[in-house]
Amino acid sequence: DGGITQSPKYLFRKEGQNVTLSCEQNLNHDAMYWYRQDPGQGLRLIYYSQIVNDFQKGDIAEGYSVSREKKESFPLTVTSAQKNPTAFYLCASSLQDRRDTEAFFGQGTRLTVV
Amino acid sequence: AQKVTQAQTEISVVEKEDVTLDCVYETRDTTYYLFWYKQPPSGELVFLIRRNSFDEQNEISGRYSWNFQKSTSSFNFTITASQVVDSAVYFCALSEAWNTDKLIFGTGTRLQVFP
Repeated sequence: DGGITQSPKYLFRKEGQNVTLSCEQNLNHDAMYWYRQDPGQGLRLIYYSQIVNDFQKGDIAEGYSVSREKKESFPLTVTSAQKNPTAFYLCASSLQDRRDTEAFFGQGTRLTVV
Repeated sequence: AQKVTQAQTEISVVEKEDVTLDCVYETRDTTYYLFWYKQPPSGELVFLIRRNSFDEQNEISGRYSWNFQKSTSSFNFTITASQVVDSAVYFCALSEAWNTDKLIFGTGTRLQVFP
C-alpha cells in the first residue's frame, strides 16, 4: 500500500545527544515536510523539501537538520542544540504543486528527552 | 498576518448529536486554500477536505458538511449524528497561493463522542 512510514513510533533520547527520525514515502511525491506538534498547539513547520537535494527552513528550524538524498526519504535530525525537543513529530508529503492537492501524513514519532 | 483560530479547545457530545467545529482564518491573500484534518488517537493526520477561496459552495460528504463563508472568514465543520468513531482532534489549516508549501494550522479541537 502507498503511504508514509515514520520510524520509530517512540524514541527516547538523553540530553546532549543527537537523534534521527526516519520518514519514507512511496507515493512518488516530490515535496516532503516535517512538523512538530506540542500539546494544545497546532502543527508547526520545521523543514520542507520540494525536490531532491534541496530543502528550506520552516518556522522553527533551529536545532534541527534534514537531508533529501532520495525522493523517498526525508530524515530529520534533532540535534543537541534543540532546547526543548520533547514533542510529537509528523512527516508529510504532497505533490509539488500544493494548490491542487493535500498533504499526506505519517503516524508520527513521539520523542522524549530523558 | 496569516492565522487560523479554533476557539473551541474541547467539545463533548453524546452519540447521535450534531456538532459544529468552528474555524476562523486571517489572510491578506485573495487566493488561498482551506483544509480540515482529523487526528485520531493513532496520531496521523487524515485529510478531510480542501477548499479554495473562489469556491464558496458548501460541501456535504455523508455525515460531514462544511460551511465556507468569506464574509466572516469562517470555514466551519459540522458532523451530523455523531458517532464514537468521530472522537479525535480536528485541525483547520490555511495555505496561501504565494506559499503553498506552508500550511498554517489552528490549535485543534478535541471532540469526544460518548455512547
